[in-house]
Amino acid sequence: AQSVSQHNHHVILSEAASLELGCNYSYGGTVNLFWYVQYPGQHLQLLLKYFSGDPLVKGIKGFEAEFIKSKFSFNLRKPSVQWSDTAEYFCAGSGGTSYGKLTFGQGTILTVHP
Amino acid sequence: NAGVTQTPKFQVLKTGQSMTLQCAQDMNHNSMYWYRQDPGMGLRLIYYSASEGTTDKGEVPNGYNVSRLNKREFSLRLESAAPSQTSVYFCASSDGSRLYGYTFGSGTRLTVV
Repeated sequence: AQSVSQHNHHVILSEAASLELGCNYSYGGTVNLFWYVQYPGQHLQLLLKYFSGDPLVKGIKGFEAEFIKSKFSFNLRKPSVQWSDTAEYFCAGSGGTSYGKLTFGQGTILTVHP
Repeated sequence: NAGVTQTPKFQVLKTGQSMTLQCAQDMNHNSMYWYRQDPGMGLRLIYYSASEGTTDKGEVPNGYNVSRLNKREFSLRLESAAPSQTSVYFCASSDGSRLYGYTFGSGTRLTVV
């Protein structure tokens, strides 16, 4: 079955620390991968997406993610987090026979202390 | 610049009551989706509509029905609400291609008592 897993439920960092959130997927064939962010009380917003080509994808707000096919991973990174990055982050994927239907990971809550 | 509009934003129901969550998009998207969000479980697909006139079950369809009224509107109905349906419901739309992610509505927070 197609699935997306996020292993960190809650990450707590201080401002200026580096961030890496894990995401693993299980899809056969071509896969599309996304990271979404949900700020408190708001809806999900797209951070970045990967379809093909350069495995290092840059998104908004200084975030980037690297697609590593051999590890079935698409981890989200940011060199230096800010208090305003406090939010819940969701990895999502589609592919195989389910183009258009996104499967979401469980989400990772990021808390950044000033 | 409305995007995806959901109504209502909040609702409290008694067990056994029915209600319909409304969703409309103004981006001329073909595909629309209903998800529920529960703590620690991410978003789970309830129903989706790949195009006007079609609807299909997602991962957790039991207790729900949907109607794709036209290309713009996709409603979700709870016929007999249960406490297990307490959740935040998100509607989303996409152009149905593999090139773009979803655009989400602002959500409906539903409590069933």
